[in-house]
Parts: sequence; structure tokens; C-alpha cells
Amino acid sequence: AQRVTQPEKLLSVFKGAPVELKCNYSYSGSPELFWYVQYSRQRLQLLLRHISRESIKGFTADLNKGETSFHLKKPFAQEEDSAMYYCALSGIGNEKLTFGTGTRLTIIP
Amino acid sequence: NAGVTQTPKFQVLKTGQSMTLQCAQDMNHNSMYWYRQDPGMGLRLIYYSASEGTTDKGEVPNGYNVSRLNKREFSLRLESAAPSQTSVYFCASSGSGDRGKKLFFGSGTQLSVL
Repeated sequence: AQRVTQPEKLLSVFKGAPVELKCNYSYSGSPELFWYVQYSRQRLQLLLRHISRESIKGFTADLNKGETSFHLKKPFAQEEDSAMYYCALSGIGNEKLTFGTGTRLTIIP
Repeated sequence: NAGVTQTPKFQVLKTGQSMTLQCAQDMNHNSMYWYRQDPGMGLRLIYYSASEGTTDKGEVPNGYNVSRLNKREFSLRLESAAPSQTSVYFCASSGSGDRGKKLFFGSGTQLSVL
């Protein structure tokens, strides 16, 4: 079974402060981890994936297999970062993308 | 390109009524998915279709049926709606190299069952 846990339903951060959205996973195979984001009145979309090892909109996430985590980080929050963030898990040859319960991030001006 | 198009955007049903949610994609994707989004539950996979002519159950398939009509279209049917099916439904698709990875989502259907 594959499972994704996002412990924070809501997270409020002041503009300019660092952001960290937590994600832990459970998967018996070789995992592929993703962060999806849903901005207000927009469609859910892929933000980043661990295999790309890239920074998107200032966000980064590192896969830590030892701690089975894939936390999303940004050093300086911006107001436009306010959105719903979902961590998601798949695997090699796996058709199913499993989502966590999501974290609603609010950036306080 | 429209991407993934879902209809209707909103629907209110009475318990026991049936309806079909339509989904079409114009990206020539092989894989298509139906998810439901509930507060505190995240997105849960109802059914998916890896290719035209195939469908498989996801995490919460009970009470739903699907049809992969052709490569473009993947419909979700509620035969006898129940209040527990009140939710926001999302259709998604992904290309061959990104099956179950990079999904493109529709704008959602907000369904209320009274």
C-alpha cells in the first residue's frame, strides 16, 4: 500500500519568512514524489517532482529516503504562494498517483 | 488547447438519481483518471484508464462506473446517487511517459446530493 501524510491542514506564514510544508510517505517500492499546487480559482497543477531536482517559483523539495520525507521549502514566502498544496506519491511502473490530504498555506502580508 | 474539459461544472441531485460526468482531453494522452476531493481527505482516486479500452478501480470505486469511450473521453457515472457522494470531482490525464506522474487536471465538477 502507498500512503502520503501531510500533518498540517493549515499553515500561516508571514511574508518574507521561510516556509516548510511537511510530507511523509509510506511505500514498499522505489518512490517518486511530487508536489501539486492549487491556486485560488485555478486548476490543480504539478509544482515539482523529486527526480527533476529543480527549483520552481523558489520552492525546493528533497527526497529523504531514510526519513521517508519530501518536505517542500521556500526561504522567503511571497503573497502569491498562498494556495492549497498536495504531496503525491507514485512509483516505477505504477499507474496510481496517491495524494496526501493537503495543506492550505496562507501568507500573511 | 483546452487541455482537460469537464462538464458540468455544478450539479445538484436528489438521492437515488443518476448522472454522468463527462471528461475530454485534447492532448492525445493515453491515461485518464477520476478523483474526488473532500475536505480533510485530499484527492482520492476513483477509477483510472491506462489506455483506450481499459479501466481499473482506484481507492474508492464503490457507487461509480466509468466508460473510456475513446482515447479522448472518459466518463464517470453515478447510477444511484447518495449524499456520501457529495464532493468535487476532478478528471485528469497524463501522457505515456508520465503515467501516474504528471497529471493534467480539469477544472472540477461540484456535485451536491440532497
